[in-house]
Amino acid sequence: QLQLQESGPGLVKPSETLSLTCTVSGGSISRHSHFWGWIRQPPGKGLEWIGHIYFTGSTYYSPSLKDRLTIAVDTSKDQFSLRLTSVTAADTAVYYCARLLGVSGNYFPFDYWGQGTLATVSS
Amino acid sequence: DIQMTQSPSSLSASVGDRVTISCRASQSVSVYLNWYQQKPGKAPKLLIYAASTLQSEVPSRFSGSGSGTDFTLTIRSLQPEDFATYYCQQSYNTPYIFGQGTKLEIK
Repeated sequence: QLQLQESGPGLVKPSETLSLTCTVSGGSISRHSHFWGWIRQPPGKGLEWIGHIYFTGSTYYSPSLKDRLTIAVDTSKDQFSLRLTSVTAADTAVYYCARLLGVSGNYFPFDYWGQGTLATVSS
Repeated sequence: DIQMTQSPSSLSASVGDRVTISCRASQSVSVYLNWYQQKPGKAPKLLIYAASTLQSEVPSRFSGSGSGTDFTLTIRSLQPEDFATYYCQQSYNTPYIFGQGTKLEIK
């Protein structure tokens, strides 16, 4: 059974960098067809797609975050990561990592999710 | 960017009811439309992808329909565990926008 687990600091100061890692177990991050993504959810609000990456390193970023965002993959550890610079209170959210299922037709729904980790931006 | 609008934003229903939730895209997304269920404090769960394909192990009382800009999620015979928030999401092109959510509550 595929599992994803987010890790990283729960508290980040304004203007600093938020760094999160997602560890994939029960399957290889290098498997063809699937992408690996990040989604966030501010407290009490809806879901926001952040971006995703293929095991080769190809990335797709949210236009509203792309100037501050880096998503990277480490296939040797079956991990991928998120780095968001110059954070503000508006970046406070539960951050989820998830797999984008590569099925025939390239529909790419998010089929496996981590449990989520709350990142709070506060001094 | 393609905008996704769900209606209603909230809905009250009883166990055994049939409910429908609508999702409208600001431009055609073909059938690149996915539905998720989220319960408080939990990660979303994929219910339906490609507008009408039921994800593995999802009960058959859930169904999806539509193409282009208008989509519907139907839950036939509501069960107690179905009370949750539901989101649609387009995966036609990036950014992969989610709808604002529909909260399904017990009447």
